[in-house]
Amino acid sequence: AQRVTQPEKLLSVFKGAPVELKCNYSYSGSPELFWYVQYSRQRLQLLLRHISRESIKGFTADLNKGETSFHLKKPFAQEEDSAMYYCALTQTSGSRLTFGEGTQLTVNP
Amino acid sequence: DGGITQSPKYLFRKEGQNVTLSCEQNLNHDAMYWYRQDPGQGLRLIYYSQIVNDFQKGDIAEGYSVSREKKESFPLTVTSAQKNPTAFYLCASSQQRTTEAFFGQGTRLTVV
Repeated sequence: AQRVTQPEKLLSVFKGAPVELKCNYSYSGSPELFWYVQYSRQRLQLLLRHISRESIKGFTADLNKGETSFHLKKPFAQEEDSAMYYCALTQTSGSRLTFGEGTQLTVNP
Repeated sequence: DGGITQSPKYLFRKEGQNVTLSCEQNLNHDAMYWYRQDPGQGLRLIYYSQIVNDFQKGDIAEGYSVSREKKESFPLTVTSAQKNPTAFYLCASSQQRTTEAFFGQGTRLTVV
């Protein structure tokens, strides 16, 4: 069974501080991992995916297969980063897409 | 205007009644999903479908049913067997497993 865990339900930082949102997964095969974001009153949308190895809005995430983690990081948080962030996993066969519990990030001025 | 549309936005149901939530997409996506979003529990997968006329149970399928008669439509029925149906329901679609999933705006169901 595949499972995604986000240990922090709430995370609060000050503007300009580094931020790290934790994501751990359990899956026996080779997973594909994603971060989705939901800004206030907006639809849930893709932020980044590990296969792209890209930086979106200053965020990066590295897949660590040894630690089964996919933490989301940003060196300098901005107020507009305040949102709900979800880590998600899909499997190499089939299209079951599983989400974590979500982390509500608040960036204070 | 391409996208994924859920209707209605708000839905009220009396206890003991079945209710169907609509989800339509014009993105030509093969895969479609239904999630339930509750505070503190994230998005939990109810059902998903990879192709027309085929669907699989997710983690919390009990009390729910779906159909996939057309590629663009994936309606979800919340039956009277669902013990705690009051929630926010999200529908999504994607072309392939590694591509972006697009979400609807959600339906908030309240049992009165």
